[in-house]
Amino acid sequence: DGGITQSPKYLFRKEGQNVTLSCEQNLNHDAMYWYRQDPGQGLRLIYYSQIVNDFQKGDIAEGYSVSREKKESFPLTVTSAQKNPTAFYLCASSLRGQGMREKLFFGSGTQLSVL
Amino acid sequence: GESVGLHLPTLSVQEGDNSIINCAYSNSASDYFIWYKQESGKGPQFIIDIRSNMDKRQGQRVTVLLNKTVKHLSLQIAATQPGDSAVYFCAESAGGTSYGKLTFGQGTILTVHP
Repeated sequence: DGGITQSPKYLFRKEGQNVTLSCEQNLNHDAMYWYRQDPGQGLRLIYYSQIVNDFQKGDIAEGYSVSREKKESFPLTVTSAQKNPTAFYLCASSLRGQGMREKLFFGSGTQLSVL
Repeated sequence: GESVGLHLPTLSVQEGDNSIINCAYSNSASDYFIWYKQESGKGPQFIIDIRSNMDKRQGQRVTVLLNKTVKHLSLQIAATQPGDSAVYFCAESAGGTSYGKLTFGQGTILTVHP
């Protein structure tokens, strides 16, 4: 079955530690995204990538980094510079082209908590 | 309907009733709108979308209405079922080269009682 796989489902971070969230898709989608969700709030865009080896900052990129070395993969690193990392992180992907690009398909999320 | 703030709007209905979830958007340049359903601990699932050149679109048991004059979007669910209980988000996009740059609303909690 095609889809988006995020791992791990739960992740704990210690003070000063960088952690990496995995996102893999086999939908052959060009574009991939990372969103952050806090309790009682909507989703906020962290980073997005339209093609391999290219990515842009979203609305809340500070304290995060990404890479897009392969079409299928878009890992997100939460660095120690992110002072409030506890949140539910969602990865998404979409096709490019008129009528397709905004229809995002989401993974099942990673809950990150600080120890 | 949805609004900025930490307390999500809630809607409680009885099984079999019709549900209407409202959303106000702010960007008059938005030309594409989506409704997503999110169950607890899961990622959002696409429900239905609509472009700004339409004012109504129907799916299976769902209808989206768009009123561009007052920048208002609604999702109607017919014959609501307990499995429809979830948080519902509207999202808007201004198009152009902003791939997937959706702006999400706060969400509305729908609870369906058997």
